[in-house]
Amino acid sequence: DAKTTQPPSMDCAEGRAANLPCNHSTISGNEYVYWYRQIHSQGPQYIIHGLKNNETNEMASLIITEDRKSSTLILPHATLRDTAVYYCIVRVGGYGQNFVFGPGTRLSVLP
Amino acid sequence: KAGVTQTPRYLIKTRGQQVTLSCSPISGHRSVSWYQQTPGQGLQFLFEYFSETQRNKGNFPGRFSGRQFSNSRSEMNVSTLELGDSALYLCASSLDPQETQYFGPGTRLLVL
Repeated sequence: DAKTTQPPSMDCAEGRAANLPCNHSTISGNEYVYWYRQIHSQGPQYIIHGLKNNETNEMASLIITEDRKSSTLILPHATLRDTAVYYCIVRVGGYGQNFVFGPGTRLSVLP
Repeated sequence: KAGVTQTPRYLIKTRGQQVTLSCSPISGHRSVSWYQQTPGQGLQFLFEYFSETQRNKGNFPGRFSGRQFSNSRSEMNVSTLELGDSALYLCASSLDPQETQYFGPGTRLLVL
């Protein structure tokens, strides 16, 4: 079973920031938080990951709470092409540690 | 760098047949994982290969099998196809099992 909880759906206005929450209250100290997205049945696209520090790349920012029990993915200026299902996954890197995908959050960016 | 490639992209088979799907990882990546995605079950892990050895396996029947070649390319095979095997089959590669996985576009299999 997935170790994360995400809202099933969210809307965001085009040009505004999209903030996607994820709860992972049972996360252990060596588990990373990963975010992927899947646009209309294409292969999932890697967005970002982190352990405990906040991370930023050209796509998004990842904010992890100090207790690491939740995180937020931020798309700073959402566009229509960001409409997708977003998956939050916790995973220990290592042999035998596959990704477990939950249902994710369906983000709709509205014009 | 080219991404993960999967062939074929679309496939139609009938019940009882078998099918082989192919995955070419990103250059330099030695780990390949396979996933099945259906509307009812979502994305589910099938198996992972690293250095030509299966390192991890999901909860799927023995009809699902795979292998990895010395050049890290991987194939998965499904024998005695059932209607419920209709799905998007995704391959992901990583430098090694501890690293970030990058997914291919998938092979959409329809079993009639």
